[in-house]
Amino acid sequence: QKEVEQDPGPLSVPEGAIVSLNCTYSNSAFQYFMWYRQYSRKGPELLMYTYSSGNKEDGRFTAQVDKSSKYISLFIRDSQPSDSATYLCAINTQGAQKLVFGQGTRLTINP
Amino acid sequence: SQTIHQWPATLVQPVGSPLSLECTVEGTSNPNLYWYRQAAGRGLQLLFYSVGIGQISSEVPQNLSASRPQDRQFILSSKKLLLSDSGFYLCAWSVTAGITYEQYFGPGTRLTVT
Repeated sequence: QKEVEQDPGPLSVPEGAIVSLNCTYSNSAFQYFMWYRQYSRKGPELLMYTYSSGNKEDGRFTAQVDKSSKYISLFIRDSQPSDSATYLCAINTQGAQKLVFGQGTRLTINP
Repeated sequence: SQTIHQWPATLVQPVGSPLSLECTVEGTSNPNLYWYRQAAGRGLQLLFYSVGIGQISSEVPQNLSASRPQDRQFILSSKKLLLSDSGFYLCAWSVTAGITYEQYFGPGTRLTVT
């Protein structure tokens, strides 16, 4: 069983839609949860991170963590064509020097 | 500010040829350094990471190797490339203090083995 599972998509939605991206993980020791965004032919960049169950908002983006279900989500409201990218979840344990990444979900927002 | 450089940006190499990809970081000291490979449509596969000069951890058995000859320099090498080595190679760095949750990625090298 992989440590992190992420639906690779691709996912295509119309502009303005609410997008939901999800990951599940297997190890309850994971404590830190990140979402990275990767535009085509570029390196990933950190979008959001959180370390507790619940929601964290940043503009149109909301990261949600449910540690009891080992489930993390990223919601994008009022999606824009500029949000078209691959989104990768990543997790970490305290003291670990490396992140565990999901496979990435390729998202396309259609104008 | 910190900057990470990778070169070359694109590379086409025949099977059996050697490989050397270089990554350098500016504006920070004693970073953690990472090499990833991303195959087409796939996620990030961690190949190597380093917490200091000469300290290399290998994550996946393969015909690749890594070296860290200087604090902010990380090199990925191969003596003989395989077709399966094709992919997008990314170097990244992170701070060593506190929790590692943010890694800063370079622009990547797109390698095609023919």
